Amino acid sequence: EAAVTQSPRNKVTVTGGNVTLSCRQTNSHNYMYWYRQDTGHGLRLIHYSYGAGNLQIGDVPDGYKATRTTQEDFFLLLELASPSQTSLYFCASSDRSSGNTLYFGEGSRLIVV
Amino acid sequence: TQTVSQSDAHVTVFEGDSVELRCNYSYGGSIYLSWYIQHHGHGLQFLLKYYSGNPVVQGVNGFEAEFSKSDSSFHLRKASVHWSDSAVYFCAVSAGSSNTNKVVFGTGTRLQVLP
Repeated sequence: EAAVTQSPRNKVTVTGGNVTLSCRQTNSHNYMYWYRQDTGHGLRLIHYSYGAGNLQIGDVPDGYKATRTTQEDFFLLLELASPSQTSLYFCASSDRSSGNTLYFGEGSRLIVV
Repeated sequence: TQTVSQSDAHVTVFEGDSVELRCNYSYGGSIYLSWYIQHHGHGLQFLLKYYSGNPVVQGVNGFEAEFSKSDSSFHLRKASVHWSDSAVYFCAVSAGSSNTNKVVFGTGTRLQVLP
């Protein structure tokens, strides 16, 4: 069974704080993605990657950094968190061999106060 | 760049009714089109996809979708809905020939099925 695991599942931080969201996939997929989900906006792509060391800029990258350390691990970094980054974050993985189907984690809810 | 729009934010039907959830896209080249379902409090799960061939694709749990190049659409349908189909449905598009495989989602349609 394909698996994507996110941590932490819930996080509260203060404005200006430093947050790292982690994602690990055991699917042996090349592609990994970070999305944020907000009411009225659906899922918006923050950053994505097609392999270790690779990073592609998504549609809403401002205020976010990301790093793909291995094929399995993709991290999303908020170095100076702001209330506008309060959101539900999803990680996903995919591969051409799986017909481009995305496999999602269960989400990480971040609150910035 | 590819974009996708879902014109209906909310759709309410009764159990046993048929339903169509609308999805329109814009992109000039070959594309992957997909539908995903999100139950409350969970991540998204794959329903079905189209890349080429028969424009009507079958998915899990009685869902199907039809690709139309002339209308730039990929609408999702179900002939008879069940209360458990209540969820948020997302349409997604990615460029078929892209090495980077960017996948873009619509804003979602919340389907409410009444008993």
